[in-house]
Amino acid sequence: DQQVKQNSPSLSVQEGRISILNCDYTNSMFDYFLWYKKYPAEGPTFLISISSIKDKNEDGRFTVFLNKSAKHLSLHIVPSQPGDSAVYFCAASDRGGATNKLIFGTGTLLAVQP
Amino acid sequence: NAGVTQTPKFQVLKTGQSMTLQCAQDMNHNSMYWYRQDPGMGLRLIYYSASEGTTDKGEVPNGYNVSRLNKREFSLRLESAAPSQTSVYFCASSRDDINTDTQYFGPGTRLTVL
Repeated sequence: DQQVKQNSPSLSVQEGRISILNCDYTNSMFDYFLWYKKYPAEGPTFLISISSIKDKNEDGRFTVFLNKSAKHLSLHIVPSQPGDSAVYFCAASDRGGATNKLIFGTGTLLAVQP
Repeated sequence: NAGVTQTPKFQVLKTGQSMTLQCAQDMNHNSMYWYRQDPGMGLRLIYYSASEGTTDKGEVPNGYNVSRLNKREFSLRLESAAPSQTSVYFCASSRDDINTDTQYFGPGTRLTVL
């Protein structure tokens, strides 16, 4: 049972436009959500996070939105740049749980066209 | 400050062979993790160690063993490799600060089992 779902395996956008990556989760105990970015042949790197007490967190060109009632979060990248082309993983955790375990989605491959 | 390092970067094994994947972190983190990444499956947790001297199973532990040698090092052993264990393996670590669940990943080991 996939607790964190990224239903779009890939997304293609033009440079300068907005990229919107989506993520859905099923476990209502999740209270912290993260986005990781992964380039080929490298490990994932942390991008941005949001706590369940917030509905928006912004860091430069990256904004994450959380809709707890819909169990949905999204990552907005504005403006998109060719260097943003990578696989983006959504992850969630239950910080009230016994340990710092992250549950990852399957990833979305973003291609930003020049 | 190298972060999380993994050795080897690539490995080819024959079915039934054994090997150990090495991981070390120099960030004085308490927790360490082993994941595998397969196409369409995202990152799945194999084992984790919440602190030195403790290890616990993750989502897909069968066929693997781990050792938390000290605070810095966390190794993953395949006793009898199978083709189903062909994957990219990532080690990660985290500080376990109550305010953040950020995990830092190594560059990965690409393992092929023939």
